[in-house]
Amino acid sequence: RKEVEQDPGPFNVPEGATVAFNCTYSNSASQSFFWYRQDCRKEPKLLMSVYSSGNEDGRFTAQLNRASQYISLLIRDSKLSDSATYLCVVMAGGFKTIFGAGTRLFVKA
Amino acid sequence: DAGVIQSPRHEVTEMGQEVTLRCKPISGHDYLFWYRQTMMRGLELLIYFNNNVPIDDSGMPEDRFSAKMPNASFSTLKIQPSEPRDSAVYFCASSLLRPGQNTGELFFGEGSRLTVL
Repeated sequence: RKEVEQDPGPFNVPEGATVAFNCTYSNSASQSFFWYRQDCRKEPKLLMSVYSSGNEDGRFTAQLNRASQYISLLIRDSKLSDSATYLCVVMAGGFKTIFGAGTRLFVKA
Repeated sequence: DAGVIQSPRHEVTEMGQEVTLRCKPISGHDYLFWYRQTMMRGLELLIYFNNNVPIDDSGMPEDRFSAKMPNASFSTLKIQPSEPRDSAVYFCASSLLRPGQNTGELFFGEGSRLTVL
């Protein structure tokens, strides 16, 4: 079993739609959680951290459920520029940082 | 400020040849990570260092792969001998990580795209 699992997609949504991505992780001792974004043929970049209480950054909302070992990302009012691959990231002890394989999103006009 | 610098950006080589990928982390960062990305397997952690010391190399595929960090400003990932299945994009990332902080941002280089024929 992979340490971090994501639905690979692709998700094809129209502009303005709301889309949700999910992620599960296997190491219950994991300490920190993040979502990264990767554009085609580019390097990954941090989108947002994920806190136990849930957190929001503009149109993006991230949530963590430690009991279920589950992380989510919600994007509201999708823009064409949101088209990218979204990577779920888990940081375990010693700062070992594991990336999920990513979920591809295509936002269409 | 300069980001993480990787070289070469592209490398095409023949099976059996030695490949050396290089990384210069962001100055002041004390963690350095090497990842490999393929369509099939996604972004895999190969090895990471803290203060130039390897912490976890369990992701290194086999003995053909080796990584070193001789000082705080330079790391190499070597493949010898290379095989076609090693074809991938290899990313280096660095960070300044401290317990209790949840930022945990890794800063990636632009990657080295390796093709082994």
